[in-house]
Amino acid sequence: QQQVKQSPQSLIVQKGGISIINCAYENTAFDYFPWYQQFPGKGPALLIAIRPDVSEKKEGRFTISFNKSAKQFSLHIMDSQPGDSATYFCAAVQGAQKLVFGQGTRLTINP
Amino acid sequence: GAVVSQHPSWVICKSGTSVKIECRSLDFQATTMFWYRQFPKQSLMLMATSNEGSKATYEQGVEKDKFLINHASLTLSTLTVTSAHPEDSSFYICSAFSSSVSYNEQFFGPGTRLTVL
Repeated sequence: QQQVKQSPQSLIVQKGGISIINCAYENTAFDYFPWYQQFPGKGPALLIAIRPDVSEKKEGRFTISFNKSAKQFSLHIMDSQPGDSATYFCAAVQGAQKLVFGQGTRLTINP
Repeated sequence: GAVVSQHPSWVICKSGTSVKIECRSLDFQATTMFWYRQFPKQSLMLMATSNEGSKATYEQGVEKDKFLINHASLTLSTLTVTSAHPEDSSFYICSAFSSSVSYNEQFFGPGTRLTVL
């Protein structure tokens, strides 16, 4: 019940296209859903996050869509750029407790 | 704000030696620090949670006598890998949390690459 399932494992998108990564969770007590971006050899960096009382959050080219009834949330990267090539992790947490990470998605943007 | 640093950024050691990794919150006081381990092409795996002034809580399967965690102050936590072996080679990442900074958000360090020969 603590798992967060992420898909796809890897994704290749053409420059300018839309990248979509999906996550699903079981624990309805989770109250914060962040997305992290990680470049090789670096620590993860918070990209964008959402709380379950909101269905969508947009920051620049990055949008989180949240479906509370389906217990799913997704990251959309609009106008994907080669610099977006990285590994993306979704996560979920309840209060100040442990983050539960998804398995990660390796995103490659072809120029 | 909310910057977390780690030192060293990479370390190479011989099998059987001990290695200490530092995690510092630079501009806030962290009530809780987390230590993660990440193998290539895998997700982050939580090793332990430490609160300032108290013993760390280790995740199932993590040897507490091998991975010693000390959270002596509100800005510093250390992870010591004792008697390191090649299978301990990994990317170690810490994160810091403070309820005065954010209700939920953990702030991650840049990671430490450990290679055991």
